[in-house]
Amino acid sequence: GQNIDQPTEMTATEGAIVQINCTYQTSGFNGLFWYQQHAGEAPTFLSYNVLDGLEEKGRFSSFLSRSKGYSYLLLKELQMKDSASYLCAVRDSNGGFKTIFGAGTRLFVKA
Amino acid sequence: SQTIHQWPATLVQPVGSPLSLECTVEGTSNPNLYWYRQAAGRGLQLLFYSVGIGQISSEVPQNLSASRPQDRQFILSSKKLLLSDSGFYLCAWSPDGAEQYFGPGTRLTVT
Repeated sequence: GQNIDQPTEMTATEGAIVQINCTYQTSGFNGLFWYQQHAGEAPTFLSYNVLDGLEEKGRFSSFLSRSKGYSYLLLKELQMKDSASYLCAVRDSNGGFKTIFGAGTRLFVKA
Repeated sequence: SQTIHQWPATLVQPVGSPLSLECTVEGTSNPNLYWYRQAAGRGLQLLFYSVGIGQISSEVPQNLSASRPQDRQFILSSKKLLLSDSGFYLCAWSPDGAEQYFGPGTRLTVT
């Protein structure tokens, strides 16, 4: 089966850097995604990693280690608007390439 | 550019009543389509996905059903709603089964 673990909540200060970790277990790994979801809104796509390494996109970076079943999302120069839930999701090639979502990490950015 | 529409935005329905939620995608053809449900403070639960017209895969046995009568139209239905059906219903599309783009969602309250 599949399992995705990420911290429930994190708090960070405006202007700082925060790293949100995600570990996963899946039998047919086919990519890892990060989504941002503001309260009461739909998730929006942030990043996609299918190979090991770091993908950088502006203030956001995502890292993947397939051998360790581990990813992190790095947010730099935090802004108040970054307060949101961050969802880690894994695509599984078994059973038709479904995407399984973690419960999300709620990030609070304080002044 | 591609856009995804969902309606209604909010819905309050009594237990035992029927349900029909509609999702349409514009600006793309033959998208993968998904229905998710998100309970308050919880992660996304995949309900149904479709890779083509008339092709529906169900992930969770329950009193919900889905149909795809046209290439860019995805409908979620129920004949009799339960209290446990309350939640935030999200439709999403994907060009290739990788990253997904979500509609604005429907907040359903069953009373």
